[in-house]
Amino acid sequence: DAKTTQPPSMDCAEGRAANLPCNHSTISGNEYVYWYRQIHSQGPQYIIHGLKNNETNEMASLIITEDRKSSTLILPHATLRDTAVYYCIVSSQTGANNLFFGTGTRLTVIP
Amino acid sequence: NAGVTQTPKFQVLKTGQSMTLQCAQDMNHEYMSWYRQDPGMGLRLIHYSVGAGITDQGEVPNGYNVSRSTTEDFPLRLLSAAPSQTSVYFCASSSFRVGYEQYFGPGTRLTVT
Repeated sequence: DAKTTQPPSMDCAEGRAANLPCNHSTISGNEYVYWYRQIHSQGPQYIIHGLKNNETNEMASLIITEDRKSSTLILPHATLRDTAVYYCIVSSQTGANNLFFGTGTRLTVIP
Repeated sequence: NAGVTQTPKFQVLKTGQSMTLQCAQDMNHEYMSWYRQDPGMGLRLIHYSVGAGITDQGEVPNGYNVSRSTTEDFPLRLLSAAPSQTSVYFCASSSFRVGYEQYFGPGTRLTVT
């Protein structure tokens, strides 16, 4: 599976959009981009995933560049509860139960 | 649904002891996985299973055994605990029916002295 590169930390003001970038320049054609987050020491929580089209759900939006070498997770109105470590992972769907988690981006939402 | 449950929540072992971490899910998911997370690190895959009777090794399998006799349960056995196995252990399950989204348990915090 392809590896990803994320900034180690980011800050975001409460109520503003949080844009978390991810580079995955070696992604293969059948690999999806998954985003998970981990709040404090809890188990990771699934956020969203996509192949090549932009995706949106009740939690976030995922923007994938046309060449699929990078993506951005957008939390449209960040709250203090969104403070967490966010992991960007690329994987084929059949490998999605054995994901490679890097160190992620620690997002801090500031009041 | 209870989702993914793990027991115990906390455990302290002495070097050389063995134990089993329990994981169960009630969502009829075919896939289950075990990860460990060391302080300040991301999760690393230990073992995973694509269905009852089928298991495979992940990134860090040494010192651990698994079995999958039922769809619901996926226990992780530490054969002879070592201080290097001090970590937080997470179990997860997923299914093609939910786009392979993984559901994680609350974790087991293990300390080996």
